[in-house]
Amino acid sequence: DADVTQTPRNRITKTGKRIMLECSQTKGHDRMYWYRQDPGLGLRLIYYSFDVKDINKGEISDGYSVSRQAQAKFSLSLESAIPNQTALYFCATSDSLGGHLQDGYTFGSGTRLTVV
Amino acid sequence: KQEVTQIPAALSVPEGENLVLNCSFTDSAIYNLQWFRQDPGKGLTSLLLIQSSQREQTSGRLNASLDKSSGRSTLYIAASQPGDSATYLCAGRNEYGNKLVFGAGTILRVKS
Repeated sequence: DADVTQTPRNRITKTGKRIMLECSQTKGHDRMYWYRQDPGLGLRLIYYSFDVKDINKGEISDGYSVSRQAQAKFSLSLESAIPNQTALYFCATSDSLGGHLQDGYTFGSGTRLTVV
Repeated sequence: KQEVTQIPAALSVPEGENLVLNCSFTDSAIYNLQWFRQDPGKGLTSLLLIQSSQREQTSGRLNASLDKSSGRSTLYIAASQPGDSATYLCAGRNEYGNKLVFGAGTILRVKS
């Protein structure tokens, strides 16, 4: 099994629909992140969480929300999807600074979301 | 604000050639630097992680170096193979650990 698992792998949805992307991890990392990747714009941070009760906005959080249900689970929601949210979405986990795990970031395989 | 630049944007080489990918960053106060590989439409695979106190890391045919004072990192690939064809991304992690800033990537094509 992959260290970071994202579901679904692909999704096509209509404008205005609510959609949730899910992420689970077996790395034992405390920190989890959601990124989106667009051609020419690279990877941009949407939200991140350092612990179950900790949620922080990234650089492009408008139109998104997240939930950290457990240490190993972090979901991303689009409350009312719009076409410019069409992108490749990645969940990632990372070690904590100074912690016993110093293995950097681990990314999931991505969810390709198309909003029509 | 950290900015990461990768040069060249694209590279095409014949199989067997040794090659170097370059990464530069504007803020030398990084916690570590990580190199990733991404195949088209796929996720990111971590290749090498260099802590700020380290100068280089090696894994198989890959060697990555880090020079914080000059704001540069290089990824050296020895004896390139067609299977090495992918986009290579470098990313610097800030000292607070909450941001990983990516370069735009280098698209590598190794011709057989």
